Amino acid sequence: GQNIDQPTEMTATEGAIVQINCTYQTSGFNGLFWYQQHAGEAPTFLSYNVLDGLEEKGRFSSFLSRSKGYSYLLLKELQMKDSASYLCAVTDSNYQLIWGAGTKLIIKP
Amino acid sequence: IAGITQAPTSQILAAGRRMTLRCTQDMRHNAMYWYRQDLGLGLRLIHYSNTAGTTGKGEVPDGYSVSRANTDDFPLTLASAVPSQTSVYFCASSDSSPGGSDTQYFGPGTRLTVL
Repeated sequence: GQNIDQPTEMTATEGAIVQINCTYQTSGFNGLFWYQQHAGEAPTFLSYNVLDGLEEKGRFSSFLSRSKGYSYLLLKELQMKDSASYLCAVTDSNYQLIWGAGTKLIIKP
Repeated sequence: IAGITQAPTSQILAAGRRMTLRCTQDMRHNAMYWYRQDLGLGLRLIHYSNTAGTTGKGEVPDGYSVSRANTDDFPLTLASAVPSQTSVYFCASSDSSPGGSDTQYFGPGTRLTVL
C-alpha cells in the first residue's frame, strides 16, 4: 500500500528553527508537495520538490531524498502565525496525489 | 471570482436528504478534485476530473457522485446523506496539462453536518 508518515504534533518556540519530517512509500514518484493549513482554513501551497536537494523560499526550505523516500520542511525564525498544520503529499506513478495526515505545529512565545 | 469558490460555507442536513456542494474555479485549470477531511485522517480523495466531460473515482467515492459539464464547475452530490458523511469538504483544481505545475489550489471548504 501507499503511505505517507509525518509526526502528529510538534512544539517549538518563537524565533527558533523547526524541522518537520516526512517519509513516504508510494508506487512511483513524480514530486513531493508541502502545504500549510491554518485551523478552519483551506490548505495553501508552500513548496514542491521533484529532484534531490534543498529548495529555499524565504524562511521556509524543503529538502528531498528520493533514494531514502524522505523529505523535510525547515521553518526558520518562527513566528506565531506559523502555528498551523503542515501537510506532506506525494504524486505517485499515476499522478495521483497521496496525502499525509499532517503535522500540527504549535508555536510558544 | 478570483481562484476557486465553494458553496455553501456550512450546512446542517437531515439524514436521507439529497445535497449538492458547488465548486467553481476561474483559473481555467483542466483538473478538479473533491476531498473530505476528517480529524486525524488527513485529506481523502472522493472524486476527480482530469478534463471537462470526464470523471474518476478516488479513495472514498461511495455515496457521492460528480459531474463535469464544463471547465469551471465541479459539483459534488450526496444522493442520500448519512451521518458518516459529516466532514469538511474541499474542492481543488490544478493545471495538469503538459508543462503545467500540477500544484493543487483549494477552495475555502464546506463544513457539512449530517444528523
